Amino acid sequence: LAKTTQPISMDSYEGQEVNITCSHNNIATNDYITWYQQFPSQGPRFIIQGYKTKVTNEVASLFIPADRKSSTLSLPRVSLSDTAVYYCLVGDDSGAGSYQLTFGKGTKLSVIP
Amino acid sequence: DTGVSQDPRHKITKRGQNVTFRCDPISEHNRLYWYRQTLGQGPEFLTYFQNEAQLEKSRLLSDRFSAERPKGSFSTLEIQRTEQGDSAMYLCASRVREGLFNEQFFGPGTRLTVL
Repeated sequence: LAKTTQPISMDSYEGQEVNITCSHNNIATNDYITWYQQFPSQGPRFIIQGYKTKVTNEVASLFIPADRKSSTLSLPRVSLSDTAVYYCLVGDDSGAGSYQLTFGKGTKLSVIP
Repeated sequence: DTGVSQDPRHKITKRGQNVTFRCDPISEHNRLYWYRQTLGQGPEFLTYFQNEAQLEKSRLLSDRFSAERPKGSFSTLEIQRTEQGDSAMYLCASRVREGLFNEQFFGPGTRLTVL
């Protein structure tokens, strides 16, 4: 599994767009990039998944450059309720194995009023 | 609420006691996972079930840990002779085979404190 590196923490004011970048230099051809969000005392929650270029859903956008060695999670107009830890994960869809998730330490986002 | 429930939400026990946690996954999800999370760290994989079969176990799962999923429905995780190092949040997750392969639905967790 490719190792991921992301900032330990970030601060943002309410209403701003937040971009969290994750590095995964050793990403393999079959690897997808997935982001999870975790609030205190809750389990992680799936946000978005992508392979290349840009993916957008109702919650966030995921930007993946052509070399796929990094990815950026973009949260538009954050609110106080977006304060959470955000995890970047990479893994492959090989059809074998358990698809267990491998989490790093994540990025703790603090949204300031 | 993801549809995955865990019971109890909190458990305080004395060192050496046995504890058992329960997870009820989303009903149509055939894959079930247990993770452990300590303070400041991301969740770590413990074990995985496909239906009632336990197919993978992490080296973190010592002999004092056992997990079951009878009839492929709910699952239990038992820790025997608890140690203070077992204090953590124990998370259960499930996914459907046909879903996005990295999309798992997590329960709220059981927070274990071993005194």
